[in-house]
Amino acid sequence: KAGVTQTPRYLIKTRGQQVTLSCSPISGHRSVSWYQQTPGQGLQFLFEYFSETQRNKGNFPGRFSGRQFSNSRSEMNVSTLELGDSALYLCASSLRTSPGELFFGEGSRLTVL
Amino acid sequence: TQLLEQSPQFLSIQEGENLTVYCNSSSVFSSLQWYRQEPGEGPVLLVTVVTGGEVKKLKRLTFQFGDARKDSSLHITAAQPGDTGLYLCAGETDYKLSFGAGTTVTVRA
Repeated sequence: KAGVTQTPRYLIKTRGQQVTLSCSPISGHRSVSWYQQTPGQGLQFLFEYFSETQRNKGNFPGRFSGRQFSNSRSEMNVSTLELGDSALYLCASSLRTSPGELFFGEGSRLTVL
Repeated sequence: TQLLEQSPQFLSIQEGENLTVYCNSSSVFSSLQWYRQEPGEGPVLLVTVVTGGEVKKLKRLTFQFGDARKDSSLHITAAQPGDTGLYLCAGETDYKLSFGAGTTVTVRA
């Protein structure tokens, strides 16, 4: 079955702009989590959506937001981009069981100039 | 501050050698997972350990969960170049996974 699909794979923005990233989960998975990965901080949890509701949220400023649609596809938005937002943004889908397995996409590489 | 501390941060060894990666925390987790990430790809799950003291083997990889469910280790026997990658541990609480910063393993042929 198809894996997790993230678009776009690469993008370059300038400070102050905003960006929207998209994630299509594995069919049947209703949980989508977003992570930010940087060399210095590793994988940092942004938020999780399950059945269109945000269930968990990490410690990121309000500039980072997300949503989930009825088909489980998810988007995350970053407004007023800062240089420090340059990172690999990873989306992961799961069945939301415990213990659960996260299935990651290949990520969206954001560069802020 | 990372909830999970991984050590070492980098590891470079010769093919055929053994290696151990450690993952430590002061928090108790309901489960602990190990992932491997290769360049340009997302992390892929290797194993999940749930019970304190549990040991799981996956071919040449041995995973152990500490008795108190706060720490874990990954041991690779006779490492091969294909084992090269970023190894990440992740502790689960309330459906939320917190990741360590990762250990970059390089196995030289």
